[in-house]
Amino acid sequence: DIQMTQSPSSLSASVGDRVTITCRASQSINYYLNWYQQKPGKAPNLLIYTASSLQSGVPSRFSGSGSGTDFTLTISSLQPEDFATYYCQQSFSPTFTFGPGTKVDIK
Amino acid sequence: EVQLVESGGGLVQPGGSLRLSCSASGFIFRTYAMHWVRQAPGRGLEYVSGISSDGDSTYHADSVKGRFTISRDTSKKTLFLQMSSLRPDDTAVYYCVKDQRWGNWNSPTFDYWGQGTLVTVSS
Repeated sequence: DIQMTQSPSSLSASVGDRVTITCRASQSINYYLNWYQQKPGKAPNLLIYTASSLQSGVPSRFSGSGSGTDFTLTISSLQPEDFATYYCQQSFSPTFTFGPGTKVDIK
Repeated sequence: EVQLVESGGGLVQPGGSLRLSCSASGFIFRTYAMHWVRQAPGRGLEYVSGISSDGDSTYHADSVKGRFTISRDTSKKTLFLQMSSLRPDDTAVYYCVKDQRWGNWNSPTFDYWGQGTLVTVSS
């Protein structure tokens, strides 16, 4: 089974900061990597699919990159509404595993 | 507007059964694979089950295989998750999720999520 890890598990940042979250797969998943944002008490929201494609309606300050085993989600200028937990998810193999999440909170 | 509305959650004793439903609207239900994803209280997301657009192919995570069954009723635009032999570690919010791509089955991306329904397994 493919295992997903994320780093850091949490981070504190200020509005306007550039934030980078890393996701690593235990084996190559090509570009089959998605990113989701989840706010407390809400369902997750798709941000990025196939590693670098921005989902419709998602602000352009979100971007994704990577392929193979290493991926990053970048928020170019953190906004108040971006404080949330972020999950990566591999869509390469049928376990479709999620990463453990990265919580972004206010510094 | 795409809407996914889950129902059927609640409190059940260990070893019991429950059937979750998800009513879909706002898209052509019969052309998209559908999935269930769960989240235990205070924990991360776990993929549970998926079903192809035509219902011919299903997948269940090892943690629920043999106990849960996913199905769909195209005429009623409804997704189901039949859960049996429930255990305390099945306690979670269960989300009904739509695949992003028409006809896709092999590499799901979850573009619409329901609000979730809470299943609590406890004596």
